[in-house]
Amino acid sequence: SQQGEEDPQALSIQEGENATMNCSYKTSINNLQWYRQNSGRGLVHLILIRSNEREKHSGRLRVTLDTSKKSSSLLITASRAADTASYFCATEGGGGFKTIFGAGTRLFVKA
Amino acid sequence: DTEVTQTPKHLVMGMTNKKSLKCEQHMGHRAMYWYKQKAKKPPELMFVYSYEKLSINESVPSRFSPECPNSSLLNLHLHALQPEDSALYLCASSPWTEPNSPLHFGNGTRLTVT
Repeated sequence: SQQGEEDPQALSIQEGENATMNCSYKTSINNLQWYRQNSGRGLVHLILIRSNEREKHSGRLRVTLDTSKKSSSLLITASRAADTASYFCATEGGGGFKTIFGAGTRLFVKA
Repeated sequence: DTEVTQTPKHLVMGMTNKKSLKCEQHMGHRAMYWYKQKAKKPPELMFVYSYEKLSINESVPSRFSPECPNSSLLNLHLHALQPEDSALYLCASSPWTEPNSPLHFGNGTRLTVT
C-alpha cells in the first residue's frame, strides 16, 4: 500500500514558471523525502525534511511539511526544461526502515 | 553517474530461463534494497538487507530470490518469471542510520520476460 499520495499526477508548465507538487501521507513520520526520476533512470534524492521542521530550502527547491495535516509540498522555482522528470515523495512504511513512495507527479517543462 | 552500479542494463529472458541481476555499491552503506517499478508507477519495495541479513521481504513470489554475498554486493536471482514481471528493477543502498535514511539508487535493469 502507498503511504504517500501526490497531486497533481501530471503538470505542464512553461520554462521560468514555478512548479508546486503536493504529497499527503497517512501515518506519523520521522522525516519525509523528495526524489526525482528522469525517464528510464534511477531515482535521485533531492531533499529530506524532518518532522520537527516546517520548511527547508535547497537551491531552487523549497519543501514544506505540515504534520498536523500530514502533507508536504515541493516548490521548484524558475523551472527549466531540464527539470522535466517525475517527482516522488517518500515516507516510512510500517516498521520504520521501509521507504515507501507516493504515486508521483510527472512534471513537463516546456522550453 | 550513480555510485550504485547495476548490471545488466537490459535483460530479455524467457519464462523458463534463470538469470541474475547484480548490484554493487562502495559507499560503506549497510542497507541494500530491491525495488520493482512498472511504467508510470512508483517503485515498489521488494526486499531489504541490513548488515547482509534479509530484514524485509514484501511477500515477493519465490521466483525472485535475493542474495547479499557481502556488504557491497546484492543479487536478485530470477527463475520461471512471468510476462507481468517485466519492469525496471532498481537497487538502492542507504546508511541505515535512521528510519527512512536517504536512498542512493542505481539506474536499474530493464527486464523483459517473453
